[in-house]
Amino acid sequence: GAVVSQHPSRVICKSGTSVKIECRSLDFQATTMFWYRQFPKQSLMLMATSNEGSKATYEQGVEKDKFLINHASLTLSTLTVTSAHPEDSSFYICSARPGLAGGLIYEQYFGPGTRLTVT
Amino acid sequence: AQSVAQPEDQVNVAEGNPLTVKCTYSVSGNPYLFWYVQYPNRGLQFLLKYITGDNLVKGSYGFEAEFNKSQTSFHLKKPSALVSDSALYFCAVRVPYGGATNKLIFGTGTLLAVQP
Repeated sequence: GAVVSQHPSRVICKSGTSVKIECRSLDFQATTMFWYRQFPKQSLMLMATSNEGSKATYEQGVEKDKFLINHASLTLSTLTVTSAHPEDSSFYICSARPGLAGGLIYEQYFGPGTRLTVT
Repeated sequence: AQSVAQPEDQVNVAEGNPLTVKCTYSVSGNPYLFWYVQYPNRGLQFLLKYITGDNLVKGSYGFEAEFNKSQTSFHLKKPSALVSDSALYFCAVRVPYGGATNKLIFGTGTLLAVQP
């Protein structure tokens, strides 16, 4: 149980284009989803937190117009990197946390990550 | 400021020997602490957590961690290391984020290398 998937696992796009990454909770309802960015050999940096049906809360320094987050349902959140540039190349990881009704109010379950390369 | 520190970038241990991966924290209030493991090009897998109760927490794959309030530590341990344990380990603490939401703050990670 508590599986989170991400699609795609790898994506290469050209500079200036936009790319969408999906995060799905497969066997539970996720009231809250998180998006992280991880640079090589570094820790995870929280980008934003989204609650289903409301606007995402972005961490300081993260451009909300560049990294669009949509949490339209209890099982799906999307991250769209708009007008991507090479410096946006990174490993993006989502996580999802079940709601209180699920009984598991503490863990976050992580997706396998998406490797974005902007050329 | 609330933070998590993993003082060792890398820990080397021989297979069969006990291993310890260190973590210290700084939070206000009662800490909720977690350990995650990451294999190359993969997301994080949950190992164990401390919320309350017994200071020795047992988790997945034979790992355990000891919560020490006086030393503000939550070190990850395993009695006998396996080569397959080689991975990147993250300690994390849950902190309030506004309203009913909270978030995890991660340490910088410790690379565990188990030699056969």
